[in-house]
Amino acid sequence: DSGVTQTPKHLITATGQRVTLRCSPRSGDLSVYWYQQSLDQGLQFLIQYYNGEERAKGNILERFSAQQFPDLHSELNLSSLELGDSALYFCASSVASGAEETQYFGPGTRLLVL
Amino acid sequence: GESVGLHLPTLSVQEGDNSIINCAYSNSASDYFIWYKQESGKGPQFIIDIRSNMDKRQGQRVTVLLNKTVKHLSLQIAATQPGDSAVYFCAAWSFNDYKLSFGAGTTVTVRA
Repeated sequence: DSGVTQTPKHLITATGQRVTLRCSPRSGDLSVYWYQQSLDQGLQFLIQYYNGEERAKGNILERFSAQQFPDLHSELNLSSLELGDSALYFCASSVASGAEETQYFGPGTRLLVL
Repeated sequence: GESVGLHLPTLSVQEGDNSIINCAYSNSASDYFIWYKQESGKGPQFIIDIRSNMDKRQGQRVTVLLNKTVKHLSLQIAATQPGDSAVYFCAAWSFNDYKLSFGAGTTVTVRA
């Protein structure tokens, strides 16, 4: 158990819909990262927040957005969902935001868009 | 951007043998490298890391080797056990775009 929690574990929705994925980092961790893992793309970095502020951006679509709240939990919002958005979405956390901070991954949310 | 790739998508190893998983990266400015293990139904788990100023680092039953000349790193697992069966990812950190880039993953299967 990494100490990172994600809800829900599974999510099934329809195209065009909007969903919110939630992540609670490990106690004391200030950075939260979001990743998408699909069969054909592997693990793709989406976005990072550090202490409430956006720190780095990866291959995140404009239909997707995220935020980190004062209590440090984070939400990833996916809108106008398409079939290709079906994937595992992982959240990771680390103590700080530097390169050599070990990232601890949550169990993931499996999203299926029908 | 960084491109990270693994040489083989699958590896079958006899229990007790040593495993070697190879990875290549494209960005010579990459400073930091990590190996992750992902078991079925779980998130990636940190195994070992190495900085670009090192060429070898050892952990418990694992060794990471870094060859910056050819932009290649490898993960060696000694005395492979059934619990080592998983997908292994290498990842490279680039300060150019401040993000961690992952390779596609190698699925390691340990034969009894």
